[in-house]
Amino acid sequence: ETGVTQTPRHLVMGMTNKKSLKCEQHLGHNAMYWYKQSAKKPLELMFVYSLEERVENNSVPSRFSPECPNSSHLFLHLHTLQPEDSALYLCASSQGPPRGYGYTFGSGTRLTVV
Amino acid sequence: DQQVKQNSPSLSVQEGRISILNCDYTNSMFDYFLWYKKYPAEGPTFLISISSIKDKNEDGRFTVFLNKSAKHLSLHIVPSQPGDSAVYFCAASAEETSGSRLTFGEGTQLTVNP
Repeated sequence: ETGVTQTPRHLVMGMTNKKSLKCEQHLGHNAMYWYKQSAKKPLELMFVYSLEERVENNSVPSRFSPECPNSSHLFLHLHTLQPEDSALYLCASSQGPPRGYGYTFGSGTRLTVV
Repeated sequence: DQQVKQNSPSLSVQEGRISILNCDYTNSMFDYFLWYKKYPAEGPTFLISISSIKDKNEDGRFTVFLNKSAKHLSLHIVPSQPGDSAVYFCAASAEETSGSRLTFGEGTQLTVNP
C-alpha cells in the first residue's frame, strides 16, 4: 500500500460508545496530523505528532484522545462524543514541516454521532 | 480569529473558460501558500504552492498569484475542464509561529459546466 490510509471510511456511533479511528502512512514521513472538517468551515487542526511526540493539541476536548505508537501509525480514540462532533476526520502526514510541499492526506473517516 | 479566508463558497464556470479562486490572509508571517483540491469521499490533494518571495508560480493549467501588499492570493485554472469540479482549499504556513502545521480556508466549490 502507498500513501495515507484511514479506516474505517464511515462510522456511526452512539454518544455512549467508544471507538477508534486508525491512520497509517507508508511514505516514511516523520510528522502526522489529525484534522476535523465540518461543513462550511475551514479544516481545523486537532493534533500534531512529530517523531512520535505530540507537539500540538489545539484545545481539543478530552473525549478525543490521540495515540501515536510509531511514526507510521496514528489513532484517534473517541468516547462519549456529542452530535456536534459529527464531521469528516482527516489524517495527514509530512516529512518535517509542511512548508511548500504540504501534507499528504488520507481519504478521511466520515463520523456520525447519534 | 480566522487567518485564512476564502470568501466565495462556490464558483461556476463554463468549460474552456478561466476559473479564478481567491484567498485572503491576515498573518504577515505566512511564508508559504498552498492550494489543495478535494473530490467528494476523498482527502484533499496538493495542487500547487508558492513561496512568499515570489509573486507567481505556474504548473500547466494552474497558476497561483500572490499579492503580499494586499495579503491576497488567487488560483487561476485555464482552460477549465469538467474534471476540475471539486472543492479548492487555500492553506498557509509560517515557520516562526506554526512550525509543523498548515492553516486552511473554508474552501470554494468549483463547478465546471460542459
